[in-house]
Order: sequence, then structure tokens, then C-alpha cells
Amino acid sequence: DGGITQSPKYLFRKEGQNVTLSCEQNLNHDAMYWYRQDPGQGLRLIYYSQIVNDFQKGDIAEGYSVSREKKESFPLTVTSAQKNPTAFYLCASSIDAFNQPQHFGDGTRLSIL
Amino acid sequence: QKEVEQNSGPLSVPEGAIASLNCTYSDRGSQSFFWYRQYSGKSPELIMSIYSNGDKEDGRFTAQLNKASQYVSLLIRDSQPSDSATYLCAVRLTGGGNKLTFGTGTQLKVEL
Repeated sequence: DGGITQSPKYLFRKEGQNVTLSCEQNLNHDAMYWYRQDPGQGLRLIYYSQIVNDFQKGDIAEGYSVSREKKESFPLTVTSAQKNPTAFYLCASSIDAFNQPQHFGDGTRLSIL
Repeated sequence: QKEVEQNSGPLSVPEGAIASLNCTYSDRGSQSFFWYRQYSGKSPELIMSIYSNGDKEDGRFTAQLNKASQYVSLLIRDSQPSDSATYLCAVRLTGGGNKLTFGTGTQLKVEL
């Protein structure tokens, strides 16, 4: 079945540690996105990539990094510079056309130990 | 003014009633509009896409778009308890490329 797979489902970060969230899609979508969701808030865009080897900062990129070496994969690293990383992280993808909707993975819930 | 605004609710409707969810947006040039449903603790799932003025129906769901008034709404007919969730409005703003801007969502509760 085609879809977006995020792993792990739950992740705990220690002080000063970098952690990497995985996002893989087999939908042959060109564009991929990372969002953060906090309680009572909407989705906020962290980074997005419209094509392999290219990505752009979203609205809240500070403390995060990404790579897009393969079309199927768009991992997100939460660095130690992100002082408030506890949130629900959502990866999405879309066909590279302006009017196409985004489809989401199941999310990763990150907490601080 | 927020770029995409929704009433946070909760909106409570009795089972079998019509639920009406509204969303306003600030960018008059926006072209693409989406409604997502998000159950508690889960990821958003796409319900409807709408691009032209007027109504678009899909089963019990109807999306309505009025670009002149800059609002998009979602009607849910014959509401069921399983419809209880948060509904997110998303808009592709002018110059935003493939980026979507999300509202904070409206919580819907369908009561027995």
C-alpha cells in the first residue's frame, strides 16, 4: 500500500542531544514537508522540500535541520538548539503541482526526558 | 489578523443534525482550499479539496467556497458521533508555492 511512514511513533530526547525523525513515502511525490503541532495550535511549517537535494525553511526552522538526498526520504533532525522540542511532529507529502493536497504520516510524538 | 481563522469551538450538535464549520482567510488571491479531519492524538486526514466558487459535495460532506467574501465552509449532514474530531482548514496562499497555511481548527462534538 502506498503511504507515508514516520518513525518512531514516540521519541524521548535527553538534554543536549540531537534526535532524528524518519519520514519515508512510496507515493512518488516530489514535495515533502515537516510540521510541528502543539496543543491548541495549528500546524506550523518547519521545513519543506519541492525536489530532491533542495529544501527551504518554513516558519519555525530554528533548531531543526533536514536533508533530501532521496525522493522517498525527508528526515528531520531536532538539534540541541531547539529548547522546546516537545510536540507532535507530522510529515506530509504532495504531488509537485500547486493545487494538490498534502497527505500526512501518522506522526512522531517527541518528549524531553 | 491571522492568515487563516477558525472558531476553536467546541461546536456541539446533536446526532443527525447538520454541522457547519467556517473558515476565513486574509489573502484574496488564494486558489486552493482544503479541509482535514483530525481525531485526538492522530494525524490529519484529507476530507475535501475545493478550488472554485460554489459547493462541492462528497457523501455527507459539502464544502462551500466564496472567494469574494474570503470564506470557506464545511457542512456535515446527518452528523454521527464518529464525526467528533477537530476540523482543520488549510489554504494555499498566493506566492506560497506548495505551502499550506492551517487554521487552528474547530473542535466538533456530536452528541447522542
